Amino acid sequence: GAGVSQSPRYKVAKRGQDVALRCDPISGHVSLFWYQQALGQGPEFLTYFQNEAQLDKSGLPSDRFFAERPEGSVSTLKIQRTQQEDSAVYLCASSRRAVTYYYGYTFGSGTRLTVV
Amino acid sequence: GNSVTQMEGPVTLSEEAFLTINCTYTATGYPSLFWYVQYPGEGLQLLLKATKADDKGSNKGFEATYRKETTSFHLEKGSVQVSDSAVYFCALSDQGGGADGLTFGKGTHLIIQP
Repeated sequence: GAGVSQSPRYKVAKRGQDVALRCDPISGHVSLFWYQQALGQGPEFLTYFQNEAQLDKSGLPSDRFFAERPEGSVSTLKIQRTQQEDSAVYLCASSRRAVTYYYGYTFGSGTRLTVV
Repeated sequence: GNSVTQMEGPVTLSEEAFLTINCTYTATGYPSLFWYVQYPGEGLQLLLKATKADDKGSNKGFEATYRKETTSFHLEKGSVQVSDSAVYFCALSDQGGGADGLTFGKGTHLIIQP
C-alpha cells in the first residue's frame, strides 16, 4: 500500500480484556517497529522486527505485551489483561532497509487504546 | 543510555515570526539526529535529518545543524506560517545500537496565530 496502515484506529477495552492491534507496513519493507506514545509524551520504543525475526523486544513493558510478524509483513501487537496504564497511542513504523538509522522510517497514524 | 531533551511547549508565535525549538541529546554512540512533525490527526512525518557532525538538515524552510560540541540539534525557521502549527519531536538513532530504534524527546507543541 501507499503508507503504513494501522487498525483499529481507536480501541476501548475494559480492564483485564485482551486486545490485538494490527500493522500493515508498506509492501516490501524489511524493518518494522512498534512504539508506545503516552499522552503528552514522545513515542517510546517497544520492539523491532527484521522480516519475521524479532531482533529486539527490550522495550516491551511487561510479559503481557507480545508482538509477532509471522510472514515478515503484517504485524500484530497483543496486550493481555489490559491495565489502565496501557492507555496510549501505539505507533507502527516500517523501513525498506535493514539499516534504518540513515534512511529513517514511515510511521502509521497509530491506534489509540483507552482502557476503562 | 540515550536521551533527548527539548523545550517544553506550547510555543505560541505570530505568523512570519522566527522560530527556534531547542533540542539537546545524550548518546552512547555516534547518533543520527532527526526532527519529526505530527500534524493534528496525522501520523509522525520525518521533517529533516542529519547523520554526522556539522551536517545541516533542511526541509520546507526548516533547518537544523548537528552540533557535536554542544550536543544540540536546534530547529529553526525564518518565517512561520499558520500551517506549521503541529507537535515537533526531536529524536536520535544511535548508529551503534542494534535495532536502530529512535529515542524521542517529549515533543513541543507549536501554535502559530494569524
